[in-house]
Amino acid sequence: ETGVTQTPRHLVMGMTNKKSLKCEQHLGHNAMYWYKQSAKKPLELMFVYSLEERVENNSVPSRFSPECPNSSHLFLHLHTLQPEDSALYLCASSQLTGPGNTIYFGEGSWLTVV
Amino acid sequence: AQTVTQSQPEMSVQEAETVTLSCTYDTSESDYYLFWYKQPPSRQMILVIRQEAYKQQNATENRFSVNFQKAAKSFSLKISDSQLGDAAMYFCAYTGETSGSRLTFGEGTQLTVNP
Repeated sequence: ETGVTQTPRHLVMGMTNKKSLKCEQHLGHNAMYWYKQSAKKPLELMFVYSLEERVENNSVPSRFSPECPNSSHLFLHLHTLQPEDSALYLCASSQLTGPGNTIYFGEGSWLTVV
Repeated sequence: AQTVTQSQPEMSVQEAETVTLSCTYDTSESDYYLFWYKQPPSRQMILVIRQEAYKQQNATENRFSVNFQKAAKSFSLKISDSQLGDAAMYFCAYTGETSGSRLTFGEGTQLTVNP
């Protein structure tokens, strides 16, 4: 069992659907992240939350909407996505957001937009 | 901006042999950290090893060690006594003073271990 769990592991959605990805960390950390991993591209940071407050957006399209209700849970709400949004979405956590804080990842949620 | 480059898209090694994966980075920061992550077919990113730039001693974790050449901005990963379970995608990553804990990743190296 990992310290960071993501559900669902696989999701297929149409471009007009609304769905959510869920992440939960059991490590007592104070920061959580969403990363996007597309084929043949380096991992891209989408959002950072520290102590439930968003500290980084990285110019992600508004069709991706994060929510962090507490330090253990992070959601990524998806609506009117495009086929190019199909990717592996990785959730991660760390104790703090300072340099050198080790980041621990979940197993990812595979998203396919049809 | 910081960049991380992995010039070997694919590598292969015989079981029980040693392999070295290359990584170079570019930064103007003096305080930074370097990481190697492993991503097996399960897709979970697993931390293999980390190195603090201010430490001259190369980090070691069991069969995994790094060769950190600060002046050359090189950070290679050596895997000794390779095992079938080492087969995975390996990513080099960087964080520094201005990026906090946010990781900048390289493109990855796919390692195959042949029995």
